[in-house]
Amino acid sequence: DAKTTQPPSMDCAEGRAANLPCNHSTISGNEYVYWYRQIHSQGPQYIIHGLKNNETNEMASLIITEDRKSSTLILPHATLRDTAVYYCIVRVASNQGGKLIFGQGTELSVKP
Amino acid sequence: NAGVTQTPKFQVLKTGQSMTLQCAQDMNHEYMSWYRQDPGMGLRLIHYSVGAGITDQGEVPNGYNVSRSTTEDFPLRLLSAAPSQTSVYFCASSYFQGNTIYFGEGSWLTVV
Repeated sequence: DAKTTQPPSMDCAEGRAANLPCNHSTISGNEYVYWYRQIHSQGPQYIIHGLKNNETNEMASLIITEDRKSSTLILPHATLRDTAVYYCIVRVASNQGGKLIFGQGTELSVKP
Repeated sequence: NAGVTQTPKFQVLKTGQSMTLQCAQDMNHEYMSWYRQDPGMGLRLIHYSVGAGITDQGEVPNGYNVSRSTTEDFPLRLLSAAPSQTSVYFCASSYFQGNTIYFGEGSWLTVV
């Protein structure tokens, strides 16, 4: 699985959009980009994933560049409860189930 | 639907003692795995299973044993605990080709 690079920490004002970048320059054509977050040492929580098209769900949006070498997770209206460590993970979706390779992630602090 | 359930939540062991961390899921997931998380680090895969009777090693398998006699349960055994195994342990499960991996709430283990 390709390696990812994320900034160690970011701040965001409550109510504003939080944009979390991720570099994955060695991503292969069959690898997906996944985002998970971990709040207060709880179990990681799935947020969103994508292959090459931008994706949106009730939690967030995922923007993947055309060359797929980087992506951005967008939380449109960050709240204090979005304070967490966010992990960007690249992996092949099929036949690997839960084999996730976690980096150190980005610690997002949402401030009032 | 309880999701992924881990027990115990907290445990203190003496060096050399053995114990088993229990993990159960009620979603009929084929894939189950164990991760450990050390302070300030991302999760690292210990062992995983793709179905009953089938297990394999992850990144950091030394000092741990697993078995998968049923689809629902995937216990993690520490045969002779060492201080280096002090960590937070997470169990996870998913469908074999599933995109969403479900994590338990974690088991905090201290070896003194």
